[in-house]
Amino acid sequence: GQNIDQPTEMTATEGAIVQINCTYQTSGFNGLFWYQQHAGEAPTFLSYNVLDGLEEKGRFSSFLSRSKGYSYLLLKELQMKDSASYLCAVLDSNYQLIWGAGTKLIIKP
Amino acid sequence: GAVVSQHPSRVICKSGTSVKIECRSLDFQATTMFWYRQFPKQSLMLMATSNEGSKATYEQGVEKDKFLINHASLTLSTLTVTSAHPEDSSFYICSAITGLADLHTQYFGPGTRLTVL
Repeated sequence: GQNIDQPTEMTATEGAIVQINCTYQTSGFNGLFWYQQHAGEAPTFLSYNVLDGLEEKGRFSSFLSRSKGYSYLLLKELQMKDSASYLCAVLDSNYQLIWGAGTKLIIKP
Repeated sequence: GAVVSQHPSRVICKSGTSVKIECRSLDFQATTMFWYRQFPKQSLMLMATSNEGSKATYEQGVEKDKFLINHASLTLSTLTVTSAHPEDSSFYICSAITGLADLHTQYFGPGTRLTVL
């Protein structure tokens, strides 16, 4: 079966750095997404990785290793507004998005 | 960026009634729209894929007679929850793409919170 694993919840301090990991086992791979979702709102797109390596976009970076079936989202200089759920999703060989359950990130002052 | 709207944003209905949720792409033509359902503290679950002018493709376990999807134009898809029950209470989210070549770019609507009493 297809599976996306990410931690259920993480806590970090304002101004610090946090890394949210995602491992996946899917039938085929056509890219991995990270989305941010605040409570009661729809997801918003953060990043898309299809090749190995690190993609940096401001305070957020996303890394992918296809051979290991592994990705992480790195958030720097954490702000209180970064408190949200972070969803990892993989586009499989049928171009269907397989979603992880999300990681709830709690930022403390 | 592209904008997708949903209406209503929140709806409360009595058990046994039907509820229609609209998903509109405001500034682009969406050949394909996706309908998701999200229960509290869970991830998104794809319910169906809606293609303009054709029947929707439902995911396994989703009752097509209960969740009616109509994609009558390139900018509008509707989801009708028929004979709603309390267990249908959920957050329903649509997303749209301009075409299969843009599958990696989904534009999400703001979601509709359905509460069935």
